[in-house]
Amino acid sequence: EDQVTQSPEALRLQEGESSSLNCSYTVSGLRGLFWYRQDPGKGPEFLFTLYSAGEEKEKERLKATLTKKESFLHITAPKPEDSATYLCAVFQGAQKLVFGQGTRLTINP
Amino acid sequence: DVKVTQSSRYLVKRTGEKVFLECVQDMDHENMFWYRQDPGLGLRLIYFSYDVKMKEKGDIPEGYSVSREKKERFSLILESASTNQTSMYLCASSFSIRDLSYEQYFGPGTRLTVT
Repeated sequence: EDQVTQSPEALRLQEGESSSLNCSYTVSGLRGLFWYRQDPGKGPEFLFTLYSAGEEKEKERLKATLTKKESFLHITAPKPEDSATYLCAVFQGAQKLVFGQGTRLTINP
Repeated sequence: DVKVTQSSRYLVKRTGEKVFLECVQDMDHENMFWYRQDPGLGLRLIYFSYDVKMKEKGDIPEGYSVSREKKERFSLILESASTNQTSMYLCASSFSIRDLSYEQYFGPGTRLTVT
């Protein structure tokens, strides 16, 4: 069964303190891994798609990387506005996504 | 910019009422999806559609139906609302080309409370 596991469940950092979020997946034939950001009470906002091991994508203070079994979302020198829940997802079948439970990130000023 | 809009941000309905949630996307996407999101359970797929008038059940279709009469619009219907359908409902859409689908874009969500 396709599964996505994110860790940690919650992470609290000081402003400027870099860290990484983990997304482990088990899926036969990865066709895409997606990262989303979700603010409280809002819909998820698309961040990145990664397709193959070794691929990296960057956006501002965020960098996503992919291996054959997991993806990392690295956050460098975070600011309070980076506080959100970060979700990862992989394709299950042709169109469906299976999501992880998310990591709730809090950046204290 | 992709835009997915949902008809209401907040909705309060009574048990037994028929409830319509509407979603519209402006990017000519083939696929549209309805999810519900609950604390501790994450995002769960209710129904999706890969073409006009086509629909497929997701993981939790019981108590729901959908309608897609036009490519840009996908409706979720709660035939007889129950308190356990109180949740955040999220619509999404994605592009497909030759059976390959791409990232999903989400609407702002509808917080439905059934009393």
